[in-house]
Amino acid sequence: EAQVTQNPRYLITVTGKKLTVTCSQNMNHEYMSWYRQDPGLGLRQIYYSMNVEVTDKGDVPEGYKVSRKEKRNFPLILESPSPNQTSLYFCASSPDGTGSDEQYFGPGTRLTVT
Amino acid sequence: GESVGLHLPTLSVQEGDNSIINCAYSNSASDYFIWYKQESGKGPQFIIDIRSNMDKRQGQRVTVLLNKTVKHLSLQIAATQPGDSAVYFCAFRPSGSRLTFGEGTQLTVNP
Repeated sequence: EAQVTQNPRYLITVTGKKLTVTCSQNMNHEYMSWYRQDPGLGLRQIYYSMNVEVTDKGDVPEGYKVSRKEKRNFPLILESPSPNQTSLYFCASSPDGTGSDEQYFGPGTRLTVT
Repeated sequence: GESVGLHLPTLSVQEGDNSIINCAYSNSASDYFIWYKQESGKGPQFIIDIRSNMDKRQGQRVTVLLNKTVKHLSLQIAATQPGDSAVYFCAFRPSGSRLTFGEGTQLTVNP
């Protein structure tokens, strides 16, 4: 089944404890992206990648890191999480390398930082 | 399930009625538009898209209308069903740029 998977789906952590949220797609898509979704703010892009080894900042990149060593994986790294990073996170992929066409979303990761 | 938004515009309809969900976009250079559906606890799911050279496009029980003059996009759902209850949001693409997402509307279908 063609899909975007994320792990974990739920995570509760403490301030400053490094964490990684994994994202993987099996559709051979060029473009991958991370979003956070907060009440009243909609989806905001954190980072995106147009191809392997190519990553760029989105609208809210502060406090996050990403890597794209393989085409199918795009992990989101929080080196020192803070409570304002408590949010619902979505990974998405798109066949078009610019990310300007339909994006396929993962199921989401609910992160709580205390 | 997960709550995707606590301050979203809401629309409540009776089962079997038609629903109309609206979206205003800001960039007149936008040339591609998508409607997504997000059910509680799930990621956004593609419903239908439309390009700027069209005014209307129909899918199964859904119709998207585009009014470029007033920069307005709408999603019409015919014979709304309880399974249609979700958050609906539009996305638009300013020419040569990445998709921008709207905030969304919570649709509730009453049996």
